[in-house]
Amino acid sequence: QKEVEQDPGPLSVPEGAIVSLNCTYSNSAFQYFMWYRQYSRKGPELLMYTYSSGNKEDGRFTAQVDKSSKYISLFIRDSQPSDSATYLCAILTGGGNKLTFGTGTQLKVEL
Amino acid sequence: DAGVTQSPTHLIKTRGQQVTLRCSPKSGHDTVSWYQQALGQGPQFIFQYYEEEERQRGNFPDRFSGHQFPNYSSELNVNALLLGDSALYLCASSIGQWETQYFGPGTRLLVL
Repeated sequence: QKEVEQDPGPLSVPEGAIVSLNCTYSNSAFQYFMWYRQYSRKGPELLMYTYSSGNKEDGRFTAQVDKSSKYISLFIRDSQPSDSATYLCAILTGGGNKLTFGTGTQLKVEL
Repeated sequence: DAGVTQSPTHLIKTRGQQVTLRCSPKSGHDTVSWYQQALGQGPQFIFQYYEEEERQRGNFPDRFSGHQFPNYSSELNVNALLLGDSALYLCASSIGQWETQYFGPGTRLLVL
C-alpha cells in the first residue's frame, strides 16, 4: 500500500467553481501535511502547511485534515484560470526529513 | 531574497555517462534535499544533506551520490546513466527537521 494516494485527474472545472482535491494516507502517526502547486515545467510551490487535524484557511484556499479517516483535502474557492496546475499533497515523514508525495492532480479551470 | 536556485536548467546526456547537478539553498537554510520527478508522477525523495553529511536516503541505488559544501550548497551526482534516469531533478531547502521545504525550479535531465 502506498503511503499517500491521490487521484491524478485530470479535473476540469468552469471559472468560479469550488474545487475539491483529496488525498488519503496510510499511517495514522503522520502529523505534518502540505499542499504544493506545480505549474508545467516548474518546481513545486508551497500553498498550505497543516499540523495535525482541523482546517487552515489562506485566502481562497482551505486545507483540511481528517485524521480519523486519514484523509486530507484542499478546497479552492472562486477558481481562476491561473489556478490551472498540478496540485500535489505531501506528508513530512522519515523523522521530519523526507516529503512523501501523492502523484498529483492535474486541474484545469476553463473560462 | 533569492529562492532556491539550480543549475543547469536542462541537460542531455547519453547512457553510461555521468552528470552533476547543482543547488543553492534559500538564504539562511542549512538543509538540502534532492528529489526525482518522473513525468506524471510526484517527486520521489533521493536524499537529504545537513552539516555536510547525508542524513537520510530514499530508495535509490548507489549510482546516486551527493555532496554538501560549507556554504550549504549541494551537488547531486549520477553515474552510469540509464534511460530511466530521465526526469526533473528538484532541490529543496529547509531549516532543520519538521520544517517546510522550499523547492527550486529543477533541472530537466534527458538520457538518450
